[in-house]
Amino acid sequence: QITLKESGPTLVKPSQTLTLTCTFSGFSLRNSGEGVGWIRQPPGKALEWLALIYGSDDMRYRPSLKSRLTITKDTSIDQVVLTMTSMDPVDTATYYCAHFYNWNCEDSWGQGTLVTVSS
Amino acid sequence: DIVMTQSPDSLAVSLGARATINCRSSQSVLYRSNNNNYLAWYQQKPGQPPKLLISWASTRESGVPDRFSGSGSGTDFTLTINSLQADDVAVYYCQQYYTTPRTFGQGTKLEIK
Repeated sequence: QITLKESGPTLVKPSQTLTLTCTFSGFSLRNSGEGVGWIRQPPGKALEWLALIYGSDDMRYRPSLKSRLTITKDTSIDQVVLTMTSMDPVDTATYYCAHFYNWNCEDSWGQGTLVTVSS
Repeated sequence: DIVMTQSPDSLAVSLGARATINCRSSQSVLYRSNNNNYLAWYQQKPGQPPKLLISWASTRESGVPDRFSGSGSGTDFTLTINSLQADDVAVYYCQQYYTTPRTFGQGTKLEIK
């Protein structure tokens, strides 16, 4: 059974850097075909894909946010970290991490963590 | 980016009736070398993460009732929910995973009439 859980601050100030951690079980990023992605959802709005990382170390980013995003993995502790710089109130959203395999879609999702950007 | 457009934005359907949600992509998500459409459907209930219902445009996930079905190819896709039940009230999203950035439709809110 695959499980994922997001953790990180619930409140960040504008211009600060957000660091979110996805802790997972049921698969390993030592396997090149396994992957973890990040998706966010502003309150009452649609889903927005942000980034993904494969066990092979292939990484992809949303082009419009690429300069602000970094995704990394630590296979020894089954975690993926997403950092987003220069946070702005428009970045207020629930942030989800999700599992996928090869070039399939996201099949298992964490419960999400709400991040509010406010001074 | 591939733009995903769903219609309608919302719909109200009677219990036991059929609901149909459409999704159109701005370019084909059919990968001709394997004849797969890289199109998924998700269900999201309030306060919950999205739940994968259908992948590859028409492959139902394990445990998803067969009342849910997906169809279409290329740029036009449909999610059909037969015999609507109260538990089906949710927002439904289509997603293309043909290329990055992966993109979602704006969502369709399904309610009971």
